[in-house]
Order: sequence, then C-alpha cells, then structure tokens
Amino acid sequence: AQKVTQAQTEISVVEKEDVTLDCVYETRDTTYYLFWYKQPPSGELVFLIRRNSFDEQNEISGRYSWNFQKSTSSFNFTITASQVVDSAVYFCALRRAAGNKLTFGGGTRVLVKP
Amino acid sequence: NAGVTQTPKFRVLKTGQSMTLLCAQDMNHEYMYWYRQDPGMGLRLIHYSVGEGTTAKGEVPDGYNVSRLKKQNFLLGLESAAPSQTSVYFCASSYHLDYNTEAFFGQGTRLTVV
Repeated sequence: AQKVTQAQTEISVVEKEDVTLDCVYETRDTTYYLFWYKQPPSGELVFLIRRNSFDEQNEISGRYSWNFQKSTSSFNFTITASQVVDSAVYFCALRRAAGNKLTFGGGTRVLVKP
Repeated sequence: NAGVTQTPKFRVLKTGQSMTLLCAQDMNHEYMYWYRQDPGMGLRLIHYSVGEGTTAKGEVPDGYNVSRLKKQNFLLGLESAAPSQTSVYFCASSYHLDYNTEAFFGQGTRLTVV
C-alpha cells in the first residue's frame, strides 16, 4: 500500500521568508512519480511540479525548488521569498508506475502574512 | 480552454435524496477520477475509469456509483445521500500512464447533506 505523509498541518510566515514543506512517502515500487499541487483559497487544484523516481536531480523553477531523496523517501518543496499569493494548501501526491491513481498527503496550509 | 468542468459547483441534499455529479473533460484523456476532500485527510479516491465503458473502485467507494458512457464524461452518483457524504468532490483526468503526465482537476463541487 502507498502512503503520503505531510507532518506539517499549517505554516505561517511573513512575506519574503522562505517556506519548506515536508513530504514523506511509502511505496514498495521501484518506479513511481511524485507531485506537488497547490490549492488556493478559490478551491481549485493547481499542478506545480512532478518528479520521477529514477531522477533524483533537484531543480529550481522560479521561486519553487524541490529536494527529492530516495534514501529517506522524502520529496520536500521550498518556496523562496514567499508572497501573499502563495497562501494556499499544498498537497504532495504519489502515483505508482503500474497504475494511474494518485495518493495524496493530508496537505499543509501555508499562510503568508504581509 | 475548458479543461475539466464539474457540475454543479454547490448542492445541498436532504438525507436519503439522490443526485448525480457530472464531470466533463475536453482534453481527450483516457483516465478519469473522482476524489473527495475532507479536512486533514487530503483527497481520497472514490472511483476511477481507465477508458470508456470501464470503471473501478478506489479507496472509499461505498455509497457511490459511477458511469463512463462517453470518453469525455464521468458521472458520480449518490443513490441515498448520508451526512457522512458531506464533502468537496473533485473530478480529475489524465492521459494514459505512458505519457507520465499530471492529473488535471476540476474546480470542485461542495456537497452538504443535511
């Protein structure tokens, strides 16, 4: 069975601070895919990033960066120089290669104060 | 660019009533899903479909039925609504696994059962 854990339920920061969201996953598969989604107050789910299990290269995309470590089954996500518009709930998700169902973590609410 | 469209956006039901949620996608995706979102629990998969005419149970299928008569539509039915089904429901779609793409989500349907 797969499981995704986001231990942080809520994070509050002041604008321009960096925010790191933790995600730990469990799977027996050797090939899988990890995702981060953002859910702003308007309610829709917005895709942010995707990472394949066979590619541990960490990248930066604008103010977003992620740290994927298979050895610790973690897929952490960082927002650099946070802005008020970053206030949202962020979900980490896992998908098996053999199948196409997403398993979500419980979400982390980020509040960025001006 | 409609993407994934859910109808209705809001609904209040009395216990025992029935209703159908409609999901439509215009991206020619093979896979479609219904999730429910409850506080602190992330999104949980109710049912999914890997193609027209096929459906399968997800993590929390009890009390729901689905149909995929057309590739672009995925219907979620509640035959006898219960207060435990009060939730926000999300439909999603994605390409076949080989494309390794993210799932695209609708804007959600907020259902209250009283």
